[in-house]
Amino acid sequence: KQEVTQIPAALSVPEGENLVLNCSFTDSAIYNLQWFRQDPGKGLTSLLLIQSSQREQTSGRLNASLDKSSGRSTLYIAASQPGDSATYLCAAAYYGNNRLAFGKGNQVVVIP
Amino acid sequence: DGGITQSPKYLFRKEGQNVTLSCEQNLNHDAMYWYRQDPGQGLRLIYYSQIVNDFQKGDIAEGYSVSREKKESFPLTVTSAQKNPTAFYLCASSPTGNSYNEQFFGPGTRLTVL
Repeated sequence: KQEVTQIPAALSVPEGENLVLNCSFTDSAIYNLQWFRQDPGKGLTSLLLIQSSQREQTSGRLNASLDKSSGRSTLYIAASQPGDSATYLCAAAYYGNNRLAFGKGNQVVVIP
Repeated sequence: DGGITQSPKYLFRKEGQNVTLSCEQNLNHDAMYWYRQDPGQGLRLIYYSQIVNDFQKGDIAEGYSVSREKKESFPLTVTSAQKNPTAFYLCASSPTGNSYNEQFFGPGTRLTVL
């Protein structure tokens, strides 16, 4: 079964610290992995999509890495701000499968 | 503005009623998806459509129905057969009909059964 796990379910960090969020997947036949942000009561906003042929992808303060051999993707958010408080979800696309496998998300609170 | 719109934002249903959730996109995407989100459960796929006039069941299709008569529209009907419909419903689209493309999401509809 192609499962995606995000631990811990919730975390808080002081403002200014770097955020490190982990996403684990069980199947190495991954095509790409997408990171999303969700604010309370809102839809998902795509942050980064990293292809299996890439090691990392960057956008501003965000950096996502992908390690197929260890079954892990990491999202780094540099110099966290209170506006970064949200739930972050990862989703994996696998070869031969027409649907994404979603993790349950990391709920992040950045403390001013 | 290009994007995905969902309406209504909030919807209340009485027991035994069918209700329809709207999803429209102007991104010219071929594929559209419906997900259900419950607290602590993550997103679960209800139905998806890779092309007009075609759709497939997802993981939790029982009690739901869809149609895809136009490329830009993918309405979801929650029937009375769905025993626990209270949830947050998200519509998404992607350029082509496989999961390899980036998916884009609408703002969601919160359905509550009274």
